[in-house]
Amino acid sequence: DTAVSQTPKYLVTQMGNDKSIKCEQNLGHDTMYWYKQDSKKFLKIMFSYNNKELIINETVPNRFSPKSPDKAHLNLHINSLELGDSAVYFCASTLNRDPFYGYTFGSGTRLTVV
Amino acid sequence: DQQVKQNSPSLSVQEGRISILNCDYTNSMFDYFLWYKKYPAEGPTFLISISSIKDKNEDGRFTVFLNKSAKHLSLHIVPSQPGDSAVYFCAASESGYALNFGKGTSLLVTP
Repeated sequence: DTAVSQTPKYLVTQMGNDKSIKCEQNLGHDTMYWYKQDSKKFLKIMFSYNNKELIINETVPNRFSPKSPDKAHLNLHINSLELGDSAVYFCASTLNRDPFYGYTFGSGTRLTVV
Repeated sequence: DQQVKQNSPSLSVQEGRISILNCDYTNSMFDYFLWYKKYPAEGPTFLISISSIKDKNEDGRFTVFLNKSAKHLSLHIVPSQPGDSAVYFCAASESGYALNFGKGTSLLVTP
């Protein structure tokens, strides 16, 4: 059983399109995150939800909109895709916003904008 | 601004020897420090953590050392094995906030 699953694993799309990435966790965690790993391999926090409430919203273009329908799901919708959005997007989860026992990450979604 | 820095992009070690991966941070409010391991096409996997009240934490072949005054932590792997070859990320956070990651160090353990 996959603990944190992301779909799709690969996404190739044209500039200007709108796309969504889905994330689901079956660990009973209450906090979920979206991270972006850019071409320089730097993992940067984008958003975090705790019990469906947005708690972290870093400086991210408002073309990116997260949605958490319930504690087990966190989706990422991106409007008007740009070349610079090409990256690997990782979803992660934890319990009680506690970092000590680590976040559990999904395997990533590689987004390529052409 | 990058608050967690891993200044060595790569490290090569012989099997059986010690691997030492280093990490520096700038935010004195950080109180949790973690190491993650990442294989290609997979997500990062949690390895070991340490809180700011400790200076050492051990788990099998992996030991993390924290030097708060120097704002420095390190991961020791003894003995290194070929299966340890991966990218290692250092991460840190204040309680209740998201993890900040370094850029990673690619470790290669050669037979």
